[in-house]
Amino acid sequence: DAGVTQSPTHLIKTRGQQVTLRCSPKSGHDTVSWYQQALGQGPQFIFQYYEEEERQRGNFPDRFSGHQFPNYSSELNVNALLLGDSALYLCASSPGRNAYEQYFGPGTRLTVT
Amino acid sequence: AQSVAQPEDQVNVAEGNPLTVKCTYSVSGNPYLFWYVQYPNRGLQFLLKYITGDNLVKGSYGFEAEFNKSQTSFHLKKPSALVSDSALYFCAVRANYGGSQGNLIFGKGTKLSVKP
Repeated sequence: DAGVTQSPTHLIKTRGQQVTLRCSPKSGHDTVSWYQQALGQGPQFIFQYYEEEERQRGNFPDRFSGHQFPNYSSELNVNALLLGDSALYLCASSPGRNAYEQYFGPGTRLTVT
Repeated sequence: AQSVAQPEDQVNVAEGNPLTVKCTYSVSGNPYLFWYVQYPNRGLQFLLKYITGDNLVKGSYGFEAEFNKSQTSFHLKKPSALVSDSALYFCAVRANYGGSQGNLIFGKGTKLSVKP
């Protein structure tokens, strides 16, 4: 049973560019949440997708957007990259919006130069 | 405000000794609390959760946590530490309201170092 997978593993971008990160949830899970983990910090909630719609959103600017596909996989898009966007981006899946446990993927390390 | 505090940036213990990693929380209503562990260059692995019931929760790899409502704490414990327990530990609470409702609010993490 495959867990949560994310791609790519690492990514280097330049300020001002755009980036897309991808996530496939654990089998049987229909809800995907995205978190940003800056160096030395705990993860911070970005947004959650369920039934192909953004359902919840943390305190992140509109430069951060996402999408969920019919197969429940998800993308995180960040426009106009800033140096401060450098972080580990974690995807978590759960079996329903109100499930207690979230299962995390290995993350994508984004470096903005 | 909803928040989690982990007062120790690092905890050092000798192998075989008991360990405690501290966590306090602030949330309205009944708290749903979690502990996750992160190894280098890895995502977060779920250790245990408190939803309701017994205040002592047992989880993976011999870890347990004690929920104390009056002290708003949820400390992680293990009777006998292993070198392989060395990692970054995160405490989290489920947000009860606001834009993050239903998702996790994490502490800053505590680095556990277990020496042979």
